[in-house]
Amino acid sequence: EPEVTQTPSHQVTQMGQEVILRCVPISNHLYFYWYRQILGQKVEFLVSFYNNEISEKSEIFDDQFSVERPDGSNFTLKIRSTKLEDSAMYFCASSLYQSQETQYFGPGTRLLVL
Amino acid sequence: RKEVEQDPGPFNVPEGATVAFNCTYSNSASQSFFWYRQDCRKEPKLLMSVYSSGNEDGRFTAQLNRASQYISLLIRDSKLSDSATYLCVSSTGGGGNKLTFGTGTQLKVEL
Repeated sequence: EPEVTQTPSHQVTQMGQEVILRCVPISNHLYFYWYRQILGQKVEFLVSFYNNEISEKSEIFDDQFSVERPDGSNFTLKIRSTKLEDSAMYFCASSLYQSQETQYFGPGTRLLVL
Repeated sequence: RKEVEQDPGPFNVPEGATVAFNCTYSNSASQSFFWYRQDCRKEPKLLMSVYSSGNEDGRFTAQLNRASQYISLLIRDSKLSDSATYLCVSSTGGGGNKLTFGTGTQLKVEL
């Protein structure tokens, strides 16, 4: 069964450093998403992406965040200058279509900012 | 008010029991609804979509009441492997199709 993959599984970084989280969505999917989950809290939407453009972003997704689809397979989330409060599990998801369509989640990258 | 609200639990039930989870949503523009399951420190996995007419998948039954903005999940004959956190999720569809998650209800099925 096709699946979303994410690398790395864990990342530890110093406050103020840049991190890039990588995702390979399911190959024929057209819509891509990033979510995050702070330990003990709910899953929160960050951004959705379609046709090389951001479709929607949450207020969490400020100027420190950016997304890119650098080639036909990867989808990346960059955090320019990490803060302690960016420590969370970051999930990538993808879907074939848009509305009412199942989003399939990757296993996540656990980011720890020290 | 939280956009999607769930009882956090935990619900501790014996194997074979029937358990019901409830969820309410506040955004009347929500169009699609789902139940996801999340195991500890893992990604959410779709359990089932929720349709207005109600739908069943094996031991799992989901109901939606748009007038009351209420969603439910019933698990019959619960098994040890059902132990997880169950996430109620809504979507308004539209340009971004973002999913809005509840905080989840934890289920522990015991021998």
